[in-house]
Amino acid sequence: GENVEQHPSTLSVQEGDSAVIKCTYSDSASNYFPWYKQELGKGPQLIIDIRSNVGEKKDQRIAVTLNKTAKHFSLHITETQPEDSAVYFCAATLGSAGNMLTFGGGTRLMVKP
Amino acid sequence: ETGVTQSPTHLIKTRGQQVTLRCSSQSGHNTVSWYQQALGQGPQFIFQYYREEENGRGNFPPRFSGLQFPNYSSELNVNALELDDSALYLCASSYDTHTGELFFGEGSRLTVL
Repeated sequence: GENVEQHPSTLSVQEGDSAVIKCTYSDSASNYFPWYKQELGKGPQLIIDIRSNVGEKKDQRIAVTLNKTAKHFSLHITETQPEDSAVYFCAATLGSAGNMLTFGGGTRLMVKP
Repeated sequence: ETGVTQSPTHLIKTRGQQVTLRCSSQSGHNTVSWYQQALGQGPQFIFQYYREEENGRGNFPPRFSGLQFPNYSSELNVNALELDDSALYLCASSYDTHTGELFFGEGSRLTVL
């Protein structure tokens, strides 16, 4: 089955700096790669996603890059703000199976004001 | 607000007991997925239901079972509870089995003593 590795597990940055979180996956059939943000006491919420036919996608301060050959994808957050502090999860589809997801272990991002 | 509600929010059971967790999906969402999130880890896929039929299952034993009803509600049942079943159980709804975004509820935190 699919295995998703995520690094780092914790990340502390100064407000205004950039943050980068990296993930690798094992199943070359995976074709959808979302990123979720989970705040304390809440369920995960989708912040950005990318499909396998695209190499990069950007939405304001957030961008995701995908390298299918190397089987890795990354989340980039620029101009970080204190409200970006949360746990971020990458995920990949179980094979090409729709929206059944395998999640990484999470990255706790702390943005210091 | 994702429009997905779960109950109960917290519960405590003892080993060997049975538990039923409930979820109310967004209106119009025909697919519900359940995930188990242990403390400090990423969500792990349990199973997915589409139009009241199980559509896919992760690496969980048969004592984890589910039901989906026509009124956009669903249940997760766990029999013969074990200590390792202690976790946050997340329900996520989506329009179908291929649309990317999952809308998560805030979860039910189960503690098994």
